Amino acid sequence: QQQVRQSPQSLTVWEGETAILNCSYEDSTFNYFPWYQQFPGEGPALLISIRSVSDKKEDGRFTIFFNKREKKLSLHITDSQPGDSATYFCAAMRGTGSKLSFGKGAKLTVSP
Amino acid sequence: EAAVTQSPRNKVAVTGGKVTLSCNQTNNHNNMYWYRQDTGHGLRLIHYSYGAGSTEKGDIPDGYKASRPSQENFSLILELATPSQTSVYFCASGDPTGQCQDTQYFGPGTRLLVL
Repeated sequence: QQQVRQSPQSLTVWEGETAILNCSYEDSTFNYFPWYQQFPGEGPALLISIRSVSDKKEDGRFTIFFNKREKKLSLHITDSQPGDSATYFCAAMRGTGSKLSFGKGAKLTVSP
Repeated sequence: EAAVTQSPRNKVAVTGGKVTLSCNQTNNHNNMYWYRQDTGHGLRLIHYSYGAGSTEKGDIPDGYKASRPSQENFSLILELATPSQTSVYFCASGDPTGQCQDTQYFGPGTRLLVL
């Protein structure tokens, strides 16, 4: 059973546009939500994360919006650059030091 | 910067053979994880460990064993490899008590082909 769902599976935007990647989850006890970025041939790396006590987290051009009531979150990438082309994974954790449940990933392509 | 290394980076195995994938981390992290990544499935947790001598089953442990002989090393063992275990395997480490709480640091992956 997929506990974390992502949409769309793939997205293409033009350079300078805002890319929006969506994520939803089933388990209301999840309280930590990281997004990982993965380039071809590499392992995933943490991009940005949010805990359920917050509804927004910003880091430069990357912003997470979190809706606890609807169990949804989204990653917004403003002023998208070709270097942002990668696969993005939404994940969720219950508590701390526990295991992560990953979504299936979303492939973002930014065209120049 | 956390450093996680994996060996081998590429492996071709025969059906029924034994395969050992190795992972080493030099950051003194307590937790280590093994995932596999397949198209359409994302990252799925196979086994994980909270420290030397401990191993825990993840979400898809069948057909895999794990060994954590030391803080630094975590191995994934396929006793009888099958073609369905063809995949890319990632090791990760993390320290929930550290400054970067709950961040997992991934290795570069091992591409396994079982013929």
